[in-house]
Amino acid sequence: DIQMTQSPSSLSASAGDTVTITCQASQDISNYLSWCQQKPGKAPKLLIYDASSLETGVPSRFSGSGSGTDFTFTISGLQPEDIATYYCQQYDELPYTFGQGTKVEVK
Amino acid sequence: EVQLVESGGGFIQPGRSLRLSCTASGFTFGDYAMSWLRQSPGKGLEWVGFIRSNSYGGTTEYAASVKGRFTISRDDSKNIAYLQLDSLRTEDTAMYYCTRDSFYDYADYWGQGTLVTVSP
Repeated sequence: DIQMTQSPSSLSASAGDTVTITCQASQDISNYLSWCQQKPGKAPKLLIYDASSLETGVPSRFSGSGSGTDFTFTISGLQPEDIATYYCQQYDELPYTFGQGTKVEVK
Repeated sequence: EVQLVESGGGFIQPGRSLRLSCTASGFTFGDYAMSWLRQSPGKGLEWVGFIRSNSYGGTTEYAASVKGRFTISRDDSKNIAYLQLDSLRTEDTAMYYCTRDSFYDYADYWGQGTLVTVSP
């Protein structure tokens, strides 16, 4: 199985800050990576697919980059409503696997 | 508007069976693969399996942890995907989500989930 190593596990930042989360795959997954957001008590929501494509309706402060094994997710200008846990997921090879999640808090 | 509504969860004893349903609306259900994922209390997300559209044979794939115990099926006439859970174990306790899979395999819509609690 492809292991997805996501870091950090949690972070706290101020509103307006730029936040970066990384995800490393244990093998080359090309750009078959998505990022989703899960707010407390809610279902996950897709934000980014194909490593860097923004899902329709998602604010442009969210972005993704990377290919191969190393990926980055960025929130440019953190907003209070961005409090959530963020997960990366690879869909290159079955079984599809997730990173452990990054819990983002706003100071 | 795409909507996915899971149902069928509940409290059940180990070794018993349960069937979850995912009722879809707002899109042509038969055109899409559908997946099931789960999240144990306080834990991360785990892919359970998926069923391809009938255009791709309607075949299924499963995670090793559920293969042989869980079965995914679909009824395109009713716009429902099912997850049959047999031989349940306490470690199957989780919130179960269904997702619509885009034509490029990533999950683009999620349901709100249904909770399954397996306990003696």
